[in-house]
Amino acid sequence: KQEVTQIPAALSVPEGENLVLNCSFTDSAIYNLQWFRQDPGKGLTSLLLIQSSQREQTSGRLNASLDKSSGRSTLYIAASQPGDSATYLCAVRGTGFQKLVFGTGTRLLVSP
Amino acid sequence: DVKVTQSSRYLVKRTGEKVFLECVQDMDHENMFWYRQDPGLGLRLIYFSYDVKMKEKGDIPEGYSVSREKKERFSLILESASTNQTSMYLCASSDPGQGHEQYFGPGTRLTVT
Repeated sequence: KQEVTQIPAALSVPEGENLVLNCSFTDSAIYNLQWFRQDPGKGLTSLLLIQSSQREQTSGRLNASLDKSSGRSTLYIAASQPGDSATYLCAVRGTGFQKLVFGTGTRLLVSP
Repeated sequence: DVKVTQSSRYLVKRTGEKVFLECVQDMDHENMFWYRQDPGLGLRLIYFSYDVKMKEKGDIPEGYSVSREKKERFSLILESASTNQTSMYLCASSDPGQGHEQYFGPGTRLTVT
């Protein structure tokens, strides 16, 4: 059974710092991995999708990497801003028609 | 841009009522999903559908049913609402042609009293 873990559970940084959020998964037979952002009381916003054949994806100040063999993904946020404050979730989809398995999230606070 | 909409942002219902939560997507996606999200438990899949009139149970289908009569619309039904169904309900859609990237709606905060 796939299990997804995110560390740290919470992170507080001053504005302007570069930061890394971690996601690990137990079964390397994945179809893709997706990073989401969730603001309090809102739905999830898709940030980046990495297919199993890819090593990384970039969107603006965000860069996500995937190392299937070690069961890890990282989300790098450059030059953090207060508007980046949110909960970040990673989710893994297995091969075949498999559901997404979500991590428990990292709650990020960026202070001005 | 993919848009997933949900019929209500907030809903308050009484125990025993039949509750309908509606979800509509505008990108002709094949797959649609219903999740609930609770503090400390994360997101849990209730039901999903990979085609019109098709449905599959997720992790926690008890007390729920679904309907997908049209491709763009996926409804979650609480046959007899109970207080333990108070939660945030999230709908999502995806398509094989877009790498199965899931797009979520804004959520419905349901309170059952």
